[in-house]
Amino acid sequence: DIQLTQSPSFLSASVGDRVTITCRASQGISSHLAWYQQKPGKAPKLLIYAASTMQSGVPSRFSGSGSGTEFTLTISSLQPEDFVIYYCQQLNSYPYTFGQGTKLEIK
Amino acid sequence: EVQLVESGGGLVQPGGSLRLSCAASGFTFRDYSMNWVRQAPGKGLEWISYISSTSNIFYADSVKGRFTNSRDNAKNSLYLQMNSLRAEDTAVYYCARSFLYSYYYYMDVWGKGTTVTVSS
Repeated sequence: DIQLTQSPSFLSASVGDRVTITCRASQGISSHLAWYQQKPGKAPKLLIYAASTMQSGVPSRFSGSGSGTEFTLTISSLQPEDFVIYYCQQLNSYPYTFGQGTKLEIK
Repeated sequence: EVQLVESGGGLVQPGGSLRLSCAASGFTFRDYSMNWVRQAPGKGLEWISYISSTSNIFYADSVKGRFTNSRDNAKNSLYLQMNSLRAEDTAVYYCARSFLYSYYYYMDVWGKGTTVTVSS
């Protein structure tokens, strides 16, 4: 199975900051990676798919990049509603797997 | 409005069974692949099963042989039959729609989830 490791697991930042979350795959997955945002008690929301394609309706401050084994999710200017949990997921092969999550906290 | 609504969760004893349902609306269900994803309390997300529009199915090892994914396109519904339940199956269970992009599937629409608790 393909393992995904997100770093950091916890990230403390302030409103307006630019932050980057990294997702590393245990083997190459081309660009078959998605990023999700999950608010407390809610279902995950798709932000980015195919590593860098923004889902419709997602604010432009979110962007994704990478291919192969290393991927990043960048939030260019944090807003108060962005302080939640983010997950990456590989969809290159079954079983699909998720990273362990990154919790974004207000500094 | 595109919507997925899960139901069927509840409290069940270890070794017991439960059947979850996911009702789809607002899109042509038979044209889409679907998934089940779960989240144990305070934990991350775990993909557990995929079913194509033509009922090709994949499972995570953690549920293989115990869970059965199925669909009824006439009823716009997805099902997860869960047998031999264990405490570690306690989780919120989500159904999620897959869409095809550049020959690969991604999950764009999620239900709100249904809670399964396995405890004596």
